[in-house]
Amino acid sequence: DTGVSQDPRHKITKRGQNVTFRCDPISEHNRLYWYRQTLGQGPEFLTYFQNEAQLEKSRLLSNRFSAERPKGSFSTLEIQRTEQGDSAMYLCASSGAGTDTQYFGPGTRLTVL
Amino acid sequence: QKEVEQDPGPLSVPEGAIVSLNCTYSNSAFQYFMWYRQYSRKGPELLMYTYSSGNKEDGRFTAQVDKSSKYISLFIRDSQPSDSATYLCAMRGTGTASKLTFGTGTRLQVTL
Repeated sequence: DTGVSQDPRHKITKRGQNVTFRCDPISEHNRLYWYRQTLGQGPEFLTYFQNEAQLEKSRLLSNRFSAERPKGSFSTLEIQRTEQGDSAMYLCASSGAGTDTQYFGPGTRLTVL
Repeated sequence: QKEVEQDPGPLSVPEGAIVSLNCTYSNSAFQYFMWYRQYSRKGPELLMYTYSSGNKEDGRFTAQVDKSSKYISLFIRDSQPSDSATYLCAMRGTGTASKLTFGTGTRLQVTL
């Protein structure tokens, strides 16, 4: 499968715990995006990487959230001290040079108890 | 007011019907327009990508953009039960890399 992959697909955690999600983009795609989607809403932009550089962050990305893309390949999104309001689907998308058609992965569904 | 407005539905139609889905937007900087289909608990899947005002057709799907009215539409002909999903409009500004701004999505149910 050469699409965007995300791991894990589901995560249940207790409030206050830290969680980390991984995204593997389509190979050779140099741009990687993270979005968050809550029930009944469209995805909302969180942050964007071009290669290993994080070029844009949304105000939604509080200081409890951090994202990395070492070596410009896969990316991780970490949420520290999770809150119930963090419960959502976390979506990753990637796009290639010369085009910005964004292809999405299956998402990681986070439930904070 | 949200930058992108989309009726959340649900919209229920019989099999074979023509479906019309719409979004309005307020930001004149939006120049590229997309429609994504999202099945329950899955990631969005790109259906249509348009830039110019006018129509773009792909199989049973037609995307329509009217930049002067800030209004986009997706038409689905000969709708099938497998078309039952949430349809998200998305748009972005110019530049080779830009975040997408989505509508809330319209939930469509095609019944037998």
